[in-house]
Order: sequence, then structure tokens, then C-alpha cells
Amino acid sequence: GAGVSQSPRYKVAKRGQDVALRCDPISGHVSLFWYQQALGQGPEFLTYFQNEAQLDKSGLPSDRFFAERPEGSVSTLKIQRTQQEDSAVYLCASSSNRGRATNEKLFFGSGTQLSVL
Amino acid sequence: GQNIDQPTEMTATEGAIVQINCTYQTSGFNGLFWYQQHAGEAPTFLSYNVLDGLEEKGRFSSFLSRSKGYSYLLLKELQMKDSASYLCAVKSAGNKLTFGGGTRVLVKP
Repeated sequence: GAGVSQSPRYKVAKRGQDVALRCDPISGHVSLFWYQQALGQGPEFLTYFQNEAQLDKSGLPSDRFFAERPEGSVSTLKIQRTQQEDSAVYLCASSSNRGRATNEKLFFGSGTQLSVL
Repeated sequence: GQNIDQPTEMTATEGAIVQINCTYQTSGFNGLFWYQQHAGEAPTFLSYNVLDGLEEKGRFSSFLSRSKGYSYLLLKELQMKDSASYLCAVKSAGNKLTFGGGTRVLVKP
């Protein structure tokens, strides 16, 4: 596709429910990032993949959060036993950066807005 | 760790100039990015600085001073469509981009 695609656009979950958020990066992009953005705040880093390898997961807030990218393209962010504080917009971004060029910019999807009731 | 500070909100008049400051303290520095984000939309790339000095791109310019840990984004000839949040982000080692809290700019007629 032309850009980064995320689905669903909106997700309402009951507290305790598991959710899965999907990201389709730009074709051929090696690097993929997940960010969490609370209302009125900047994006907070969650995790980073280079191809299928998860190189950094230091931003995942708890072991309820899990991300995968098994074939190095589509990625899924899974949140188990959702809680109200998980309510936020989850942004996915990709770049063609293989870690050698510092000026490679990130291309963002429109995000999934998660509301936990 | 990373610490990136920018003002929360700024208001300016259509046709005027606004300067958004960003200060940072990071472990490792591989460049500074500015992104624009309209409400409910994806952040979009505006500029990148890795060397000291001014980068000009149409109505938008970005400045960097690495020794001072300081950058600014200058928006000239403001238009109503420039009302948005502006995000300062620093790339550290390991390809990781860390964002500040964003500055919401409101352009008034």
C-alpha cells in the first residue's frame, strides 16, 4: 500500500478483555515501531523491530503487552486483560532504515484508538 | 535516559511567525526531528537536523545547537491549516526516536 495501515481504527474493550491491534507497514520497510499516545501527549515508545527481530521492547509497560512480527512485515500488538489505563491511541510507524542512516524518517499510520470501559 | 521539553501550547495570529523551542538531554544523539500532527491524524515529517545550524524548507525552518541541547521550529506566514501539534523528537543510539510532549499551536484569524 501507499502508507502505513492500522486496523481497527477504533476499538472499545471491556476491562479484562484481550485485544489485538494490527499494523501493515510500507512494503519493503525493514524497521517497525509501536508507540502509545495518551490524549494531549507526545507518542511514547513501546517496541521496535528490525525485520522479524524485536530489538528493543523496553517501552512495553507490563507483561500484559506483547508484540510480534513473525514474517518481518505485518505486526500485531496484543494487550491481555486490558485495564482502563491502557486507553490511548496506539501508533505504528515504519522506515526503510537498516540502522545505518540516521536521517531516515518514520512514516506513521493513523493509529488505533483503544477505549477500555 | 531521555528528557525532551517543549511548551504545551502557543497561540498566534494568521500571517504571523511562531517559534517553538525544544530542549533535550539524551544519552546519545543521532539527530533531531520535527513532526506535525493534526488532531486524530498521523504525525507527518517536517524536518531533520543533525548538524548545528538552520535548515530552511519553505515556510518552515528548524535550528539546532548540539552544545546547548536546543532546537527550534520556526513557522512563518502562519495559515489556519497550521493549527496542529508540533512534536520534537530525538534519535538516540539503536535507531530509537523519543518524542517530547508536543506543542499545540492555535492559529487565530
